[in-house]
Amino acid sequence: QKEVEQDPGPLSVPEGAIVSLNCTYSNSAFQYFMWYRQYSRKGPELLMYTYSSGNKEDGRFTAQVDKSSKYISLFIRDSQPSDSATYLCAIWPGGGNKLTFGTGTQLKVEL
Amino acid sequence: SAVISQKPSRDICQRGTSLTIQCQVDSQVTMMFWYRQQPGQSLTLIATANQGSEATYESGFVIDKFPISRPNLTFSTLTVSNMSPEDSSIYLCSARTSYNEQFFGPGTRLTVL
Repeated sequence: QKEVEQDPGPLSVPEGAIVSLNCTYSNSAFQYFMWYRQYSRKGPELLMYTYSSGNKEDGRFTAQVDKSSKYISLFIRDSQPSDSATYLCAIWPGGGNKLTFGTGTQLKVEL
Repeated sequence: SAVISQKPSRDICQRGTSLTIQCQVDSQVTMMFWYRQQPGQSLTLIATANQGSEATYESGFVIDKFPISRPNLTFSTLTVSNMSPEDSSIYLCSARTSYNEQFFGPGTRLTVL
């Protein structure tokens, strides 16, 4: 079993839709959860960083963590064509350990 | 946050040669890393760059092939040695701040002929 599983997509939605991107993880030792956005031919950009269970909102983006279910989500409201990118979840147990990345979900928001 | 720059942004190299990629962070960070990303794939950690000491390599990566330096808190280099076409990839520098946020550079796109 992989440490983190991410819905592979690709996901195509109309402009204005609410997008839900999801990952599950297997080890309860993971305490930190991140979402990255990566445009084609660019480096990953840190979008959201959360530590505790619950929701964290930043503009149109909401990160949700459910540690009891080992499930994390990123919601994008009022999606725009500029949101078209690959979204990577990443989990981290803390300390000097490395991030563990999901495989990424490719999102396309169409006009 | 931390802003990371990399040089070169891309290069085309001949088989058997070496390329050194430079990574500069605009602020002091606790940890620096080097990743590789194949097109359409997720990120693979090559090594953690340790200041003033030998890097810590992940399974499948060795120092002779990927020597890494980190002379100070904001700068690191990755060398890809004796290159083959299989080394063609995107190489990404990454840095973790004292707030535990991890940022990435824009990447170096390497093509080996």
